[in-house]
Amino acid sequence: GEDVEQSLFLSVREGDSSVINCTYTDSSSTYLYWYKQEPGAGLQLLTYIFSNMDMKQDQRLTVLLNKKDKHLSLRIADTQTGDSAIYFCAESITGTASKLTFGTGTRLQVTL
Amino acid sequence: GAVVSQHPSWVICKSGTSVKIECRSLDFQATTMFWYRQFPKQSLMLMATSNEGSKATYEQGVEKDKFLINHASLTLSTLTVTSAHPEDSSFYICSAPPGLGGGVNEQFFGPGTRLTVL
Repeated sequence: GEDVEQSLFLSVREGDSSVINCTYTDSSSTYLYWYKQEPGAGLQLLTYIFSNMDMKQDQRLTVLLNKKDKHLSLRIADTQTGDSAIYFCAESITGTASKLTFGTGTRLQVTL
Repeated sequence: GAVVSQHPSWVICKSGTSVKIECRSLDFQATTMFWYRQFPKQSLMLMATSNEGSKATYEQGVEKDKFLINHASLTLSTLTVTSAHPEDSSFYICSAPPGLGGGVNEQFFGPGTRLTVL
C-alpha cells in the first residue's frame, strides 16, 4: 500500500532548527519530495531526493532518508517566521510523470 | 520555473449546478495533468490523471460521471464538477509534469481553486 504519515503539528522558536518527519510504506518509491503550502495557496516544491541517496542539503534545508526504516526527514536550519506553513512529504515511483502520494502534512508554527 | 495557472481561484455556487475549473500550463506543454482534492486541514488526495487526447484515469472511489475531465490541448485541462453538492466543497489543485524534454524531477502545481457549494 501507499501510506505516508507525518506528525500533525510542530512549534519552534525563531532561529532554532525544525525537523519534520515522514514515514512511508511503499518500498518501491523512487523519488521523495518535500512541499510547502502556505494558507490558501498551492504547493511549492522545496526539495526532493532520489531513493538511492541518504542525504541532500540545499541551503537551509537538509533531507535525510533512511530507506531501511522508510523514514524521511526535513531539517530547516535557522527557522524564520516566513517558514510557518504546512509541509507535505510525497513519494512517487517513477518521478515527474507519475502520480504523487502525499503525506498527511505537518503544520509548522514559528514563534518569536 | 514553469507556471501552472487555475481559473477561477474561488467559486461559490448553488447546490445542483455545475462548475468548471481550468488548469493551464503557461510556458510548457503538458501531456499529463493531475487533479487533486484537499479538504480542510487534510492532505491532497489524487482524484484523476488527465491525459491529452485520451480519457482520464480516475482513482478508486472517484465518480467519473460527477467529475468530468477534458484535456483537449497540451496546455489545458478542465475539471467539471457536475450537480455539485455541499460535500463537494473543497480545494481543488492541479499539477503538471514539465513534459517533453523537461529534465526536472518536479511537478508544477497550480494555485488551487476553492469551491464552496451552498
